[in-house]
Amino acid sequence: DSGVTQTPKHLITATGQRVTLRCSPRSGDLSVYWYQQSLDQGLQFLIQYYNGEERAKGNILERFSAQQFPDLHSELNLSSLELGDSALYFCASGHLRGSYNEQFFGPGTRLTVL
Amino acid sequence: GENVEQHPSTLSVQEGDSAVIKCTYSDSASNYFPWYKQELGKRPQLIIDIRSNVGEKKDQRIAVTLNKTAKHFSLHITETQPEDSAVYFCAAAMGKGQAGTALIFGKGTTLSVSS
Repeated sequence: DSGVTQTPKHLITATGQRVTLRCSPRSGDLSVYWYQQSLDQGLQFLIQYYNGEERAKGNILERFSAQQFPDLHSELNLSSLELGDSALYFCASGHLRGSYNEQFFGPGTRLTVL
Repeated sequence: GENVEQHPSTLSVQEGDSAVIKCTYSDSASNYFPWYKQELGKRPQLIIDIRSNVGEKKDQRIAVTLNKTAKHFSLHITETQPEDSAVYFCAAAMGKGQAGTALIFGKGTTLSVSS
């Protein structure tokens, strides 16, 4: 168990809909990273938050947005869903060990868009 | 931006043999190189990492090496066991500092260990 929690485990929805994925980082960790894992694209970075503020953006679509709340949990919002958005969505918690940031992954949310 | 290439994409070994997975990265500013093991349907699990001020690191049957000049890093698993069968991902990041940066992953290597 990495100490990172994600809900829900599975989501099945229809095209055009909107969903929210939730992540709670490890206790004491300030960074949250969101990654998308699909069969053809592998593990791709979407967005990073640090202590409530957006830190970096990767290959995140404009239909997707995220935020990190004062209690450090984060939500990833996916809207106008398309079939191609079906994937595993992971969040990772950034843990400072020494002067380096390790990342521990949550169990993921499997999104299926029908 | 950073690009990570990983080889081979699949690797089949007999139990007890060694397995080697190799990665190259493009951004000389990257200083943190973790390896993750992912079993089917599960989360990527950090198994070992190496920082740019170190050339080699070992943890029981697993070792990683880093050649900063050539921008290569490798994972070595000795005395492989069936439970080592999984997908292995290498990654690179600028990991030093309070927040670090996102991991850029290789495409993964599917390791199969047959008994």
